[in-house]
Amino acid sequence: RKEVEQDPGPFNVPEGATVAFNCTYSNSASQSFFWYRQDCRKEPKLLMSVYSSGNEDGRFTAQLNRASQYISLLIRDSKLSDSATYLCVVNKGESNYQLIWGAGTKLIIKP
Amino acid sequence: SAVISQKPSRDICQRGTSLTIQCQVDSQVTMMFWYRQQPGQSLTLIATANQGSEATYESGFVIDKFPISRPNLTFSTLTVSNMSPEDSSIYLCSVLRTDTQYFGPGTRLTVL
Repeated sequence: RKEVEQDPGPFNVPEGATVAFNCTYSNSASQSFFWYRQDCRKEPKLLMSVYSSGNEDGRFTAQLNRASQYISLLIRDSKLSDSATYLCVVNKGESNYQLIWGAGTKLIIKP
Repeated sequence: SAVISQKPSRDICQRGTSLTIQCQVDSQVTMMFWYRQQPGQSLTLIATANQGSEATYESGFVIDKFPISRPNLTFSTLTVSNMSPEDSSIYLCSVLRTDTQYFGPGTRLTVL
């Protein structure tokens, strides 16, 4: 089992729709969780951290479920510019800077 | 945030040669990292570049193949030695600042 697993997609979604994807992780000791966004041929950039109580940033909502060991990302009112690969990232548990990266979920927003 | 530059941005190299990638950060950082990302795959941490001491390598990566220098708190280099086509990948420099990892633009390496 991979340490961080994501559905690779692609998710093809019409503009304005809501889309959600999950990520599961295997290390129950992990304490830090992130969603990064990576555009084609670009470096990853932090989208948002994921907090235990869940958090929202504009159209983006992140949730953490420790019992089931997954995190989720919800995008509302999707825009064409949301098209990207979304990377789920989890720390190694004993370290707050050694990160384990999912392979990413590709999202394509269609007009 | 952090402003990070990498050189070269891309290169095509012959099997058996070596390439050194440079990473420059706009201001001092304690933690610098080198990652590899192969097409369609996740990022894999190669090593943590430590200033003033030897880099800390992840499982599967060794100093002889990926020597790293960190002469100061704003600069690091990664060398990919004795390259083979399997080393074709994107190599990314990363820094930790205020608990967030920021990435350089990457170096796209193709080994023929």
